[in-house]
Amino acid sequence: DTEVTQTPKHLVMGMTNKKSLKCEQHMGHRAMYWYKQKAKKPPELMFVYSYEKLSINESVPSRFSPECPNSSLLNLHLHALQPEDSALYLCASRPSSASGGANEQFFGPGTRLTVL
Amino acid sequence: AQSVTQLGSHVSVSEGALVLLRCNYSSSVPPYLFWYVQYPNQGLQLLLKYTSAATLVKGINGFEAEFKKSETSFHLTKPSAHMSDAAEYFCAVSDRSGYSTLTFGKGTMLLVSP
Repeated sequence: DTEVTQTPKHLVMGMTNKKSLKCEQHMGHRAMYWYKQKAKKPPELMFVYSYEKLSINESVPSRFSPECPNSSLLNLHLHALQPEDSALYLCASRPSSASGGANEQFFGPGTRLTVL
Repeated sequence: AQSVTQLGSHVSVSEGALVLLRCNYSSSVPPYLFWYVQYPNQGLQLLLKYTSAATLVKGINGFEAEFKKSETSFHLTKPSAHMSDAAEYFCAVSDRSGYSTLTFGKGTMLLVSP
């Protein structure tokens, strides 16, 4: 299995809703990433997990709450979002540095989020 | 600090013509460099990467890129464009830390006309 999967593909939510995005990989990668991508812009890094521990939080508002329950799964919990949070949310994974080389990040297809 | 500059937000070519997408980087240490492609409403797919093993890097779908340290460039080329190449292309530089965070350029939209 050489892919990153993300569910759901599309999500529409109101500003008072609570929802979660899910990301899964079975490549044995120990680094996982959440990105936010607005239309016609490059991805912006939100969070980095390394060996299931939150390693980087790029000053993301607390209405976004990441979780890494195990080495294959990454969640992003959403609560009280704003319309400006509407975007494509991308997950990525990467082998650990111990495996050597310039290990690229493997991206999932993304979840298209619309906040009403 | 690292940065990437992609010259031209849009590049238009005819089918069969040479594709050239420009990328210049800034890095205080020898960088790792990547080109990713993104089709509409999809994730990013790696085209190729530079890891310092060879300056001319061949990737998927007939793309290649040449690392030129003196010019701090990593331009992407393809000899003959195909309609299916129409997409957004991102150049990215990675640090050599354990987290290997990516710094992306702003992207170049490649338009291919028949």
